[in-house]
Amino acid sequence: KNEVEQSPQNLTAQEGEFITINCSYSVGISALHWLQQHPGGGIVSLFMLSSGKKKHGRLIATINIQEKHSSLHITASHPRDSAVYICAVKSYGGATNKLIFGTGTLLAVQP
Amino acid sequence: NAGVTQTPKFQVLKTGQSMTLQCAQDMNHEYMSWYRQDPGMGLRLIHYSVGAGITDQGEVPNGYNVSRSTTEDFPLRLLSAAPSQTSVYFCASSYSLHQGHEQYFGPGTRLTVT
Repeated sequence: KNEVEQSPQNLTAQEGEFITINCSYSVGISALHWLQQHPGGGIVSLFMLSSGKKKHGRLIATINIQEKHSSLHITASHPRDSAVYICAVKSYGGATNKLIFGTGTLLAVQP
Repeated sequence: NAGVTQTPKFQVLKTGQSMTLQCAQDMNHEYMSWYRQDPGMGLRLIHYSVGAGITDQGEVPNGYNVSRSTTEDFPLRLLSAAPSQTSVYFCASSYSLHQGHEQYFGPGTRLTVT
């Protein structure tokens, strides 16, 4: 079982819909990242969270440390939101400085 | 700032050839890392560095070498390319990982080994 699990793996939505992507993890963490990757493109950091909630434009990220769960919400979705969304966690402790990545959620927003 | 730059964008190698993927950042970040991205798998850490002169292995280091002679540059060397190294490679940097600072990624290098 992966230490970081995302759901769903694939998501198709109609323009304007409210979208939720989930991330669950099994390790203790000091921070969680949400990243966006457009097809054939680079990776961009959207949020870094250690508690609570952050908002940037139409994007909202929340984290529940006790439940080891984070969600990324997109309000009023648009075709330009079509991308792969990746959750990654920084575990605390341990010998390795690294992020643990989920396999990503492929989002397609249709006009 | 240019951010994180990578060259080349695309590369085709024959089995057994060697090459170096270049990565540079102009943000004075201490932490730099190399990842590979393969279909159906999350990004996997190859090597990382917490500062000039300091490097360490990630989870998939075999077949790759790195060095960090300056804060800015972190090249990844493929010693003898194999088809299993066909992948997309991303370089990333951040101020540090200890408090989970924001990660900045390069545009990626798509490598095919035939």
